[in-house]
Amino acid sequence: NAGVTQTPKFRILKIGQSMTLQCTQDMNHNYMYWYRQDPGMGLKLIYYSVGAGITDKGEVPNGYNVSRSTTEDFPLRLELAAPSQTSVYFCASSQGGLPIGEQYFGPGTRLTVT
Amino acid sequence: AQSVTQLDSQVPVFEEAPVELRCNYSSSVSVYLFWYVQYPNQGLQLLLKYLSGSTLVESINGFEAEFNKSQTSFHLRKPSVHISDTAEYFCAVPGSGSYQLTFGKGTKLSVIP
Repeated sequence: NAGVTQTPKFRILKIGQSMTLQCTQDMNHNYMYWYRQDPGMGLKLIYYSVGAGITDKGEVPNGYNVSRSTTEDFPLRLELAAPSQTSVYFCASSQGGLPIGEQYFGPGTRLTVT
Repeated sequence: AQSVTQLDSQVPVFEEAPVELRCNYSSSVSVYLFWYVQYPNQGLQLLLKYLSGSTLVESINGFEAEFNKSQTSFHLRKPSVHISDTAEYFCAVPGSGSYQLTFGKGTKLSVIP
């Protein structure tokens, strides 16, 4: 199993541009998550999904959109990039919800908006 | 919603010395506690978790954490660290939703040869 994969690894965007961060898991997990990690701030949940076709907002959803058309894929869309969205983005998945479901993380996408 | 506080942002320690990384959580009826580790340029991995039962939980690589209800703490310890333990460690608790984790700000452990 590859686990959770994310593309791209790095990206530089200009202010106002759009992009999609890709996330795929091959563990048949129902639950998927998007986090952003800023230095010294830990991880903040952006969006999560409990199954195909079902998504919900996390703690910091503004400026982002998600979709979940299949169990495997959970892309994150940035419509109008802003410098405040410079961060490292992690996708994660879990078999079940909390508290039992361990979350498996991808390697991350480092995004810079200038 | 529960919250978690990691008291130290950076902890330098010499190789083979003991280490304790501190974590305190806000009290709640149900307490589930997690430690995740992030090695350089990687995603997070679950290190250990407390769900119920024995208050002392252990990981496969020699770390242990003790759930202390009276002090609302879940400190992570290792009696002798290795260079390979250099990483950032995150304490986490269930968040405001049923499926969310709330992470602490992290503690960077640097092991000095």
